Amino acid sequence: ETGVTQTPRHLVMGMTNKKSLKCEQHLGHNAMYWYKQSAKKPLELMFVYSLEERVENNSVPSRFSPECPNSSHLFLHLHTLQPEDSALYLCASSQVRGANEKLFFGSGTQLSVL
Amino acid sequence: GQNIDQPTEMTATEGAIVQINCTYQTSGFNGLFWYQQHAGEAPTFLSYNVLDGLEEKGRFSSFLSRSKGYSYLLLKELQMKDSASYLCAAFYNDYKLSFGAGTTVTVRA
Repeated sequence: ETGVTQTPRHLVMGMTNKKSLKCEQHLGHNAMYWYKQSAKKPLELMFVYSLEERVENNSVPSRFSPECPNSSHLFLHLHTLQPEDSALYLCASSQVRGANEKLFFGSGTQLSVL
Repeated sequence: GQNIDQPTEMTATEGAIVQINCTYQTSGFNGLFWYQQHAGEAPTFLSYNVLDGLEEKGRFSSFLSRSKGYSYLLLKELQMKDSASYLCAAFYNDYKLSFGAGTTVTVRA
């Protein structure tokens, strides 16, 4: 138990669907992250929120839309996805956004786009 | 992002030692993380090295050479539960944390 909870664990969606991934952290952290993990590839940082403000957006397509309503919750809204978006989506948090801050990860949402 | 290189797979016998190497680009480098990720689970923090040298935590040790852009994770007295993916990640000045693709370690009985 890392203190970061992601739902759902698995998601299958068609290319025309709209769905949302949810992340909740119970650690009192101020920074939250979305990562994409594809097989045999490095983790790709998608978005960073610090104190509920988006501070980083790594050229992610607009079909992915993050939302951070408060410091404990993070969402990733999905619409009109492509099959190549199939991957494990990991949420993480850290005390603050900084150099020596270790990340606490959730178990991820395994997404399959048909 | 910065290129982080680590082997794709390693296999070792229970009770043995395995060393997972990681190389990274040194420009703007701050520190080096190691994470462990069991299949279907969250990555969990193992170690963070900023200074040169070896840091030991029980059966696991991590080494860093800043001048060579090199780190390794040493797993001693391997147990079956150590079968997992091990992720090397380098932190850079511009808040960039670059991950390697991970090394899958399989421990055989």
